[in-house]
Amino acid sequence: EDKVVQSPLSLVVHEGDTVTLNCSYEVTNFRSLLWYKQEKKAPTFLFMLTSSGIEKKSGRLSSILDKKELFSILNITATQTGDSAIYLCAVNPGAQKLVFGQGTRLTINP
Amino acid sequence: NAGVTQTPKFRILKIGQSMTLQCTQDMNHNYMYWYRQDPGMGLKLIYYSVGAGITDKGEVPNGYNVSRSTTEDFPLRLELAAPSQTSVYFCASSYSPAGWGTDTQYFGPGTRLTVL
Repeated sequence: EDKVVQSPLSLVVHEGDTVTLNCSYEVTNFRSLLWYKQEKKAPTFLFMLTSSGIEKKSGRLSSILDKKELFSILNITATQTGDSAIYLCAVNPGAQKLVFGQGTRLTINP
Repeated sequence: NAGVTQTPKFRILKIGQSMTLQCTQDMNHNYMYWYRQDPGMGLKLIYYSVGAGITDKGEVPNGYNVSRSTTEDFPLRLELAAPSQTSVYFCASSYSPAGWGTDTQYFGPGTRLTVL
């Protein structure tokens, strides 16, 4: 059975801290890994990773994939209160659909 | 473009009632998906469709039905509502399969359903 596990499930930090969110997976036939940010409503797309070792970067957010060890990390530097959200990791297991992890609830305190 | 729209935004059902959640997209996407999100959890796939007339089950299809008669619309039907179906339901669409190439899924705003 395809499985995506995120850790930690919840994280509380102070503004300005750097955070690392983890996503590990066990899937039939890996095709891609995606990160989403979910605030109050629908998830919004952050990154899609397909190749090992290549960092994707957008402002203070970055992500990297390790296909040998079957995991990805999402880093957020100099966190702001607006980064407070649920961060979802999803994997395409070589099919026409995604398998999502449980999400990490990130809270940034001022 | 309105993107992906869902109606209603909120609904309260009694046990045993039925209802249809509506989902429409105006991006001419082939692929459409229904997810549910329970409190504190990730998204679970209920059903998906790869084009008009073609649907398939996801991880948690029991208690639900779908149809796809047009490219734009992908309604989700709940028969005999149960408290376990209390959740937030998201519809999503994409031009190619989610996680292929450079395409990703576009999500609707969600429907919050409570079954009492």
